[in-house]
Amino acid sequence: DSGVTQTPKHLITATGQRVTLRCSPRSGDLSVYWYQQSLDQGLQFLIQYYNGEERAKGNILERFSAQQFPDLHSELNLSSLELGDSALYFCASSAGTSLYQETQYFGPGTRLLVL
Amino acid sequence: SQQGEEDPQALSIQEGENATMNCSYKTSINNLQWYRQNSGRGLVHLILIRSNEREKHSGRLRVTLDTSKKSSSLLITASRAADTASYFCATDARRGSTLGRLYFGRGTQLTVWP
Repeated sequence: DSGVTQTPKHLITATGQRVTLRCSPRSGDLSVYWYQQSLDQGLQFLIQYYNGEERAKGNILERFSAQQFPDLHSELNLSSLELGDSALYFCASSAGTSLYQETQYFGPGTRLLVL
Repeated sequence: SQQGEEDPQALSIQEGENATMNCSYKTSINNLQWYRQNSGRGLVHLILIRSNEREKHSGRLRVTLDTSKKSSSLLITASRAADTASYFCATDARRGSTLGRLYFGRGTQLTVWP
């Protein structure tokens, strides 16, 4: 158990809908990362937050947004969903105190299926 | 792209044998990490090796890093059926605004037969 929790575990929804994925980092970790894993794209970095502020942005679509709250949990919002958004969405956390990359601890993921 | 590439894509061995997976990447890094993923589950961190290190051990795992060749290898000794999983290497960015992100390869699918 990495200490990172994600809810829900599974999500089935229809095209055009909007969903929110939730992540709680390990106790004490300030950085939260979101990744998308799909068969065709592999594991892709979406976005990183550090202590409530956006720090790095990757291949995140404009239809997607995220935020990190004062209690450090994070939410990833996916809107106007398309079939191609079906994937595993992972949240990871790290201490966020090092200038260089640190070990990231991954949650169990949310499996999203868009029908 | 910074993305690492693992080789082979798939590896099938018998219990007790050693498994070696390789990773190549394209640009300078601060460190390289190996992760394991059981089918459809979360990623489990295995080991981190810094750019100034050449070899690192953790239990039955041995990781090497050759920054001149921009490559790394993961060796699992005396493999077990429970080692069956996908193995990913992940690299960071040397500097700049992308410092926080990890770049993952496509992974090596390891199957260990009893």
